[in-house]
This record gives sequence, C-alpha cells and structure tokens, in this order.
Amino acid sequence: GIQVEQSPPDLILQEGANSTLRCNFSDSVNNLQWFHQNPWGQLINLFYIPSGTKQNGRLSATTVATERYSLLYISSSQTTDSGVYFCAVYSGAGSYQLTFGKGTKLSVIP
Amino acid sequence: GAVVSQHPSWVICKSGTSVKIECRSLDFQATTMFWYRQFPKQSLMLMATSNEGSKATYEQGVEKDKFLINHASLTLSTLTVTSAHPEDSSFYICSARDVTNRLYEQYFGPGTRLTVT
Repeated sequence: GIQVEQSPPDLILQEGANSTLRCNFSDSVNNLQWFHQNPWGQLINLFYIPSGTKQNGRLSATTVATERYSLLYISSSQTTDSGVYFCAVYSGAGSYQLTFGKGTKLSVIP
Repeated sequence: GAVVSQHPSWVICKSGTSVKIECRSLDFQATTMFWYRQFPKQSLMLMATSNEGSKATYEQGVEKDKFLINHASLTLSTLTVTSAHPEDSSFYICSARDVTNRLYEQYFGPGTRLTVT
C-alpha cells in the first residue's frame, strides 16, 4: 500500500517563529488532507489540498502531486498551535480511505 | 457545518463486557463512515469502512466478530466492542464523508477513549 512519511517527527518552536512541515507519499494520490490533533484528541481539518497552494490565516499548504509531496507552513506560531499535525492521503481509483502519516508533534513554547 | 459527534467521549468497562460507541453526522448525510483506532503517541489506523445499509468492510487483521459495526441510517454508525479485553483499550475515532460532496474530504469526530479494566 501507499506509504506516507512526515518530517520532522518532533519540532519545538519559540512563540512567534515560523515552521515548515513536510509530507512525502510513495505513489500517486487522489487527494490529500492536513489535520491538527489537539491535546484532547480532536482532529481538526486544516486543508483539503490535492494540488496547488491554499492559505488560511497563519497557515498555508502546498501540494506538488507530480513530485509526491506536500508542505504545511505555520507562521508566527502560537502556543495554541501545539499538538500533532497529520498528513493523510487518498489513493486508488474511487477509494475514500485515508492513509495517515505518523505525524509531526509540534510544541510551541512561550 | 460538517460536524461529527461521538458518544460517549470516554468509557471504562470491565473485561468481558461489551461497549457501544455511536458516531453521528449532525448537519450532513453520510453514506460512508470510517472507524479508526489510535494508540498513545501513534498514528491513526483504519479499522473498517461502514456503508449505510450494507455490511462493513474490515481492514486486514481486524476481527469483525469482535468489532461489530452497524450503519443503519445516513447519520449514524455504531461500533460495538464485544467481550472487551484490556488490550482493546484505545482511542477510537470515527469520520464521515458528506454524500453530497463530490470531494473526498472526511470530517472527524472527537473520539472515544475506551479503558478496559
């Protein structure tokens, strides 16, 4: 099956710093989602981004499907950005199943 | 919009008993729902795909007789953990796909933390 690799696995930032999270996938995908899992376990949809670039406030994402990677940018990080960021992909014709990466654990310190 | 709820949010049960977890799409209809399991500090693993009005499709290694899934309506899927054992303790998360949305986007519930003593 498709492999999804995220890097870095852990990231510690000072409040106000910027960061880039990466997601590589091993095969062509139909689509891709980025999630933030908060400390209570809730998965929050950040981006649904099969290709191109999207922005939402301090967050933006870029997917280059032909090169099999996606990037999540966090600017001016805040302590509330802490948590685990997951990349998940859809693969296979008509498949709605998501395959998750192992996540990047982000800790933003004041 | 696109809100998914789960109930209960946490449950403690004794070994050998059964536990039912509900997953509801509150403001959309979902022909397809998914059940995931997440162990501490690990990623989400798909357990099964639940289709309204038909049998669920289980991933390899998931015991269908132990994890019973029922998707009786377009807004409700249930997962029943039968004869629970301590190794079934985990965080169970459901997701749903909006039937009217041509996109593949899934929306996730807040999860249910199961502890089997």
